[in-house]
Amino acid sequence: DAGITQSPRHKVTETGTPVTLRCHQTENHRYMYWYRQDPGHGLRLIHYSYGVKDTDKGEVSDGYSVSRSKTEDFLLTLESATSSQTSVYFCAISEGQGLAGSHTDTQYFGPGTRLTVL
Amino acid sequence: GENVEQHPSTLSVQEGDSAVIKCTYSDSASNYFPWYKQELGKRPQLIIDIRSNVGEKKDQRIAVTLNKTAKHFSLHITETQPEDSAVYFCAARTLYSGAGSYQLTFGKGTKLSVIP
Repeated sequence: DAGITQSPRHKVTETGTPVTLRCHQTENHRYMYWYRQDPGHGLRLIHYSYGVKDTDKGEVSDGYSVSRSKTEDFLLTLESATSSQTSVYFCAISEGQGLAGSHTDTQYFGPGTRLTVL
Repeated sequence: GENVEQHPSTLSVQEGDSAVIKCTYSDSASNYFPWYKQELGKRPQLIIDIRSNVGEKKDQRIAVTLNKTAKHFSLHITETQPEDSAVYFCAARTLYSGAGSYQLTFGKGTKLSVIP
């Protein structure tokens, strides 16, 4: 497995509380992504980063914010958690986004964080 | 944006038989198509991928085919084994308008059960 860790691995919180999930990589990859996985929906992109301090929204970004102050860390914050944000959250990294035929765009996933919002 | 449809959602096969999972995509500009395997409680792991300049790729018992004209691609697993039981996800990579970056759009997954 690529050097990707996520913390915490499990969290239970209450509606309305702030929550921050951390993704840490030791691969020095430029791109980092946050996905959520829900039954019947597959993996959906929340936010991604294409460099330090460079981030953009994905398909399901409402209610989430991100920050990347260092190459190795990508934080996902739920400012005020809701029950609809109960999910498994996966971080992913890729070296680059090369031309078709390049291998740098392979995405490798972290172990996931199971978040329950009561 | 890109839309990826994956079928079937569940698939049961006898050990030793073949399994085929199909995906269609909507954006003709998509140029990279990975397949991930996810075992229960584990992270998705890349098992094979194909790029738009290639029609077929094989790796031992697994193969992927791509038909750019019809905008569909398929995963083929031959001589299935119980350890092939997992959820399989297809994905398509397209240019995301937000920051000029490429993004993956995933299918909803296929739960494959291999019956001993």
